[in-house]
Amino acid sequence: EAAVTQSPRSKVAVTGGKVTLSCHQTNNHDYMYWYRQDTGHGLRLIHYSYVADSTEKGDIPDGYKASRPSQENFSLILELASLSQTAVYFCASSDAASQDTQYFGPGTRLLVL
Amino acid sequence: GEQVEQRPPHLSVREGDSAFIICTYTDSATAYFYWYKQEPGAGLQLLMSVFSNVDRKEEQGLTVLLNKKDKRLSLNLTAAHPGDSAVYFCAVSAGSSSFSKLVFGQGTSLSVVP
Repeated sequence: EAAVTQSPRSKVAVTGGKVTLSCHQTNNHDYMYWYRQDTGHGLRLIHYSYVADSTEKGDIPDGYKASRPSQENFSLILELASLSQTAVYFCASSDAASQDTQYFGPGTRLLVL
Repeated sequence: GEQVEQRPPHLSVREGDSAFIICTYTDSATAYFYWYKQEPGAGLQLLMSVFSNVDRKEEQGLTVLLNKKDKRLSLNLTAAHPGDSAVYFCAVSAGSSSFSKLVFGQGTSLSVVP
């Protein structure tokens, strides 16, 4: 049974629109992460969180907000979607004791037109 | 900060042959190393993790070599089969004592031809 789920699995958005990507984990993990994947690039960290109601900036946070309303849920918000945000987005979770051992969701394919 | 280079970007091998992927990293203090597999339409699946005090690790047809002197990490799939066709990523841990993050290579798309 999948421990990290994402919704939607794919989405088409218009430039300037608001997009919310959701992630849910049943691992009971403290850490959650949002990455984006672009063709020819590895995953890059956008935001992360180590506790509910708190989020931190990753390496490429510009244009994105994050929300962690509970330990299980972590959302990524694009207030004004842009063409350059077309990518595949992955959510992951990890335990505080073994932070680097991350478990990934299936990804959300976002196309901004 | 830490940078990771992975090659080749694409690799095609025949069933039963070996597939070799290599990553180089820049920070000699890096302690943890990972290999992930991404099948089409799926998330990343952790294949193996290696701590810096290990030079070689073998599991289920996979061999990871770590050369700390040259800052090089490699993955060898012996006797590849079509089910191994996927994108493979290396990742290394980076960051401070308060937060550790993963830095990923660019990925290698492996195709195993029957």
